[in-house]
Amino acid sequence: ETGVTQSPTHLIKTRGQQVTLRCSSQSGHNTVSWYQQALGQGPQFIFQYYREEENGRGNFPPRFSGLQFPNYSSELNVNALELDDSALYLCASSFVGRAYEQYFGPGTRLTVT
Amino acid sequence: AQSVTQLGSHVSVSEGALVLLRCNYSSSVPPYLFWYVQYPNQGLQLLLKYTSAATLVKGINGFEAEFKKSETSFHLTKPSAHMSDAAEYFCAVSDSTGAGSYQLTFGKGTKLSVIP
Repeated sequence: ETGVTQSPTHLIKTRGQQVTLRCSSQSGHNTVSWYQQALGQGPQFIFQYYREEENGRGNFPPRFSGLQFPNYSSELNVNALELDDSALYLCASSFVGRAYEQYFGPGTRLTVT
Repeated sequence: AQSVTQLGSHVSVSEGALVLLRCNYSSSVPPYLFWYVQYPNQGLQLLLKYTSAATLVKGINGFEAEFKKSETSFHLTKPSAHMSDAAEYFCAVSDSTGAGSYQLTFGKGTKLSVIP
């Protein structure tokens, strides 16, 4: 069974730029969620995707957007990067009938300078 | 909205001693509760879960947790700490956002140190 994978591992961007982070769900999972974990904090929910549509969103501005593809892989896009966007971004996958039980990938560390 | 409080941002125990990490939650409905572990520079690994079945839940690596509705608690325990248990532990509650969507609300985490 293949677990959740994310790429890239690390990324450095400049304020104002745009970034795309990628995630491949665990085999058999059809729901994907994204979380932001700032240094020293617990993860914060960004949004969840099912059937290629966003079906739940946390308290994040519209410049955070996502995509889910037919093979259940996913992207997180962040526009107009701000310094406070520096964080570990975690992807989690789950079955739609048990979307409360989420399995996480290793994360992408984004640094905005 | 649900919330999670983890008492103690940092806990130190001696190798072989009891591990007790505290978690209290607020929820207006019966919750789904989880403990995750995070090793340095890694993602979150699911340790155990409570999904309305047995109140005493056993997880991986010898950890267990007990759901106590009257105390709104879900404390994590392990009888004997091992050096490899040193990590950060997060308690989380699952909250429905509608249409079959769920978000996890996490506590701020407890960093466990194990002293040889």
